[in-house]
Amino acid sequence: GAVVSQHPSWVICKSGTSVKIECRSLDFQATTMFWYRQFPKQSLMLMATSNEGSKATYEQGVEKDKFLINHASLTLSTLTVTSAHPEDSSFYICSAKFSSYEQYFGPGTRLTVT
Amino acid sequence: AQSVTQPDIHITVSEGASLELRCNYSYGATPYLFWYVQSPGQGLQLLLKYFSGDTLVQGIKGFEAEFKRSQSSFNLRKPSVHWSDAAEYFCAVSRGTGANNLFFGTGTRLTVIP
Repeated sequence: GAVVSQHPSWVICKSGTSVKIECRSLDFQATTMFWYRQFPKQSLMLMATSNEGSKATYEQGVEKDKFLINHASLTLSTLTVTSAHPEDSSFYICSAKFSSYEQYFGPGTRLTVT
Repeated sequence: AQSVTQPDIHITVSEGASLELRCNYSYGATPYLFWYVQSPGQGLQLLLKYFSGDTLVQGIKGFEAEFKRSQSSFNLRKPSVHWSDAAEYFCAVSRGTGANNLFFGTGTRLTVIP
């Protein structure tokens, strides 16, 4: 149980375009979803926290107009990278939780901006 | 401010040997501590967590960790490593209560040699 999926697992886009990444909790309703960014050989950095039906809370230094987060339902959150540039290339990971005690992580989405 | 340090970037052990991965944290309040494992193509999987109580915590896959407040440490151990344990291991601390707003260490890559 407690499975989180992400789609796509890998995406390449051209500089200046936007790309949307989906995060779904498959077998539970997530009260909160989180988005992380992971650079090669580095740690996960929390980008934002979202609760269903509410605006996301962004971490300091994260551009909310570039990284649009929508949490329209208890099982789906989306991250849209707008006007992507090569420096946005990274591994994006979402997680979801329904209790206070554990986050369940998706497998991640590798974004390459050319 | 909170921080998590994993001093060892890469560790190599022989299969069957014991393992200890180090984690030191800096956090003003009582910490909520976690160990996650990340395998290629897989989401982060929770190995174990410490919230309170017994400072020796048992997790999945034969792992355990000991919380030592005096040393600000939460080291992960396994008495006998299996080849399938090769992965990236992350220590994390919650900035709130429970599994909220996780702050991750930089990770330790474990290589297991036959």
